[in-house]
Amino acid sequence: AQSVAQPEDQVNVAEGNPLTVKCTYSVSGNPYLFWYVQYPNRGLQFLLKYITGDNLVKGSYGFEAEFNKSQTSFHLKKPSALVSDSALYFCAVSPETGANNLFFGTGTRLTVIP
Amino acid sequence: DAGVTQSPTHLIKTRGQQVTLRCSPKSGHDTVSWYQQALGQGPQFIFQYYEEEERQRGNFPDRFSGHQFPNYSSELNVNALLLGDSALYLCASSFGSLAPPYEQYFGPGTRLTVT
Repeated sequence: AQSVAQPEDQVNVAEGNPLTVKCTYSVSGNPYLFWYVQYPNRGLQFLLKYITGDNLVKGSYGFEAEFNKSQTSFHLKKPSALVSDSALYFCAVSPETGANNLFFGTGTRLTVIP
Repeated sequence: DAGVTQSPTHLIKTRGQQVTLRCSPKSGHDTVSWYQQALGQGPQFIFQYYEEEERQRGNFPDRFSGHQFPNYSSELNVNALLLGDSALYLCASSFGSLAPPYEQYFGPGTRLTVT
């Protein structure tokens, strides 16, 4: 079975400071990992994905994520937070085999304080 | 280039009724997945359609059914509605069901309220 855990319901960070949103996963075989962002009353927007290769993945809007196989983690990071980054962030995993369906975490609400 | 579109935006139904939600995928995409997002939760996978067939299904009862049309658009049907079916229903499209891991593009969702 596959699952994703986002241990923090809420993350607050000051504008201009680095931010980290945590994610750990459990999956059989090699994981395909994703980060999505959801703004109020909107659908999910794709940020980045890890398939294979370099453990540091760069995505949209200056976000990046670090894959750590030994810790089964895929934390989302950004060097300098913007107020406009305030939103709900979801980590998701897709199993290596089977159809391309996603298993999501419960989400982390990021608030960037001006 | 239109993204994923869903209709209607909002819907209010009574327990026991039936509902149909609609989705048009992003141009060039041939696979449609449906997710249920309850308040305060992450989206949960309902099922996925490719080549007009249900390819994979999540842990949802048979009251949830779907269809994909030759133009790749899709419908989600829910029968005998329960209060617990109240949620945001998200449609996502991608290219290629059997060749993961293409990223999925999500529509804005349909907010279903069951009273």
